[in-house]
Amino acid sequence: KAGVTQTPRYLIKTRGQQVTLSCSPISGHRSVSWYQQTPGQGLQFLFEYFSETQRNKGNFPGRFSGRQFSNSRSEMNVSTLELGDSALYLCASSDGTGEYYNSPLHFGNGTRLTVT
Amino acid sequence: AQRVTQPEKLLSVFKGAPVELKCNYSYSGSPELFWYVQYSRQRLQLLLRHISRESIKGFTADLNKGETSFHLKKPFAQEEDSAMYYCALSPHSISGAGSYQLTFGKGTKLSVIP
Repeated sequence: KAGVTQTPRYLIKTRGQQVTLSCSPISGHRSVSWYQQTPGQGLQFLFEYFSETQRNKGNFPGRFSGRQFSNSRSEMNVSTLELGDSALYLCASSDGTGEYYNSPLHFGNGTRLTVT
Repeated sequence: AQRVTQPEKLLSVFKGAPVELKCNYSYSGSPELFWYVQYSRQRLQLLLRHISRESIKGFTADLNKGETSFHLKKPFAQEEDSAMYYCALSPHSISGAGSYQLTFGKGTKLSVIP
């Protein structure tokens, strides 16, 4: 099976702009999670979608939003970009059913976002 | 709120020496603990989970609820073990709510010296 695919790999944006990141999960996986990774804060959970519904949400401002389509592909949007949004954004997919420990996360390579 | 602490940013050991990567957690409920690993130029991937009580690539981890720790151990380090290791926690709930929200530690870079 193909792994989790994230596009684009790199993005450079200016403060105030908005950005959309895309994630295609492993075929058959219905859960898609998003994480932000920075040197200072490490990996932080953004949100998780399952069957087009947001099931879990981390502690991020409303500028961060996401959605999931019927084919399980997911997009993440960040509006009014700030310098502090510069990070590696990781997407992960899993089966999504039952307890988490029975369907671990499979990560993509990430999208490196730089805000100038 | 849950928290995962990995006190060592960098751990260097000689090949053949024992390895212990420390992980401590803070969580009021009953957690599920995991170790994820990222080798150079590869994706972050699951190494092992405490619920399975498994040994992967010679690594084991025991959940110590009294000390709230989940240290990763290997008796004899190999050069291919050099990687970034992350400890992660997922809340356990009967309903499964929140169980897909992982809290990660900041990671420990393991360097195995030949």
